[in-house]
Amino acid sequence: NAGVMQNPRHLVRRRGQEARLRCSPMKGHSHVYWYRQLPEEGLKFMVYLQKENIIDESGMPKERFSAEFPKEGPSILRIQQVVRGDSAAYFCASSQQGWGYEQYFGPGTRLTVT
Amino acid sequence: AQTVTQSQPEMSVQEAETVTLSCTYDTSESDYYLFWYKQPPSRQMILVIRQEAYKQQNATENRFSVNFQKAAKSFSLKISDSQLGDAAMYFCAPGRDDKIIFGKGTRLHILP
Repeated sequence: NAGVMQNPRHLVRRRGQEARLRCSPMKGHSHVYWYRQLPEEGLKFMVYLQKENIIDESGMPKERFSAEFPKEGPSILRIQQVVRGDSAAYFCASSQQGWGYEQYFGPGTRLTVT
Repeated sequence: AQTVTQSQPEMSVQEAETVTLSCTYDTSESDYYLFWYKQPPSRQMILVIRQEAYKQQNATENRFSVNFQKAAKSFSLKISDSQLGDAAMYFCAPGRDDKIIFGKGTRLHILP
């Protein structure tokens, strides 16, 4: 049973470009979470999705960031017009049920904005 | 707002010894969950242990156990018989039905 898959593992973008981060949850998991981790910091919650629904996006910056989890295919975190401050590791996690249950994490995508 | 404090940014322990990582949190909820996650140099986040706040019995997973003091809002992690593979960042993460909040982490070094 494959774990949570994230790609790419490393992504370099110039300021102003778009970054697209993909996450395929574990088989059978319908709950997906995105987190951001700055150096030497813990994970900060960004958004919680189920298939075709955004359940909670209270951790997402109001502008430039969006997320989706379509009926078919991976969850996508999109960052438009990236700035240097967006450089971070972005982790995706999935679970069978909601918040109280174990979240399985992907390996993360390290975004570097030059 | 829920807050988490891990007061030890770094700790070291001799291999085979026991170490305790501390965590305190603040919440107004009565029913919640508590997690410890481990992040080794590979950066993969791995669940170490999970505790439900309504349970009085402390959770245990092999060499890992917690000391959960609900009234004091304290949730410490004890690692017995430390091994080199335990070297990692450890994050305390209290959660409820709509969110998990991660602490800033404690970096654990294992001395051979």
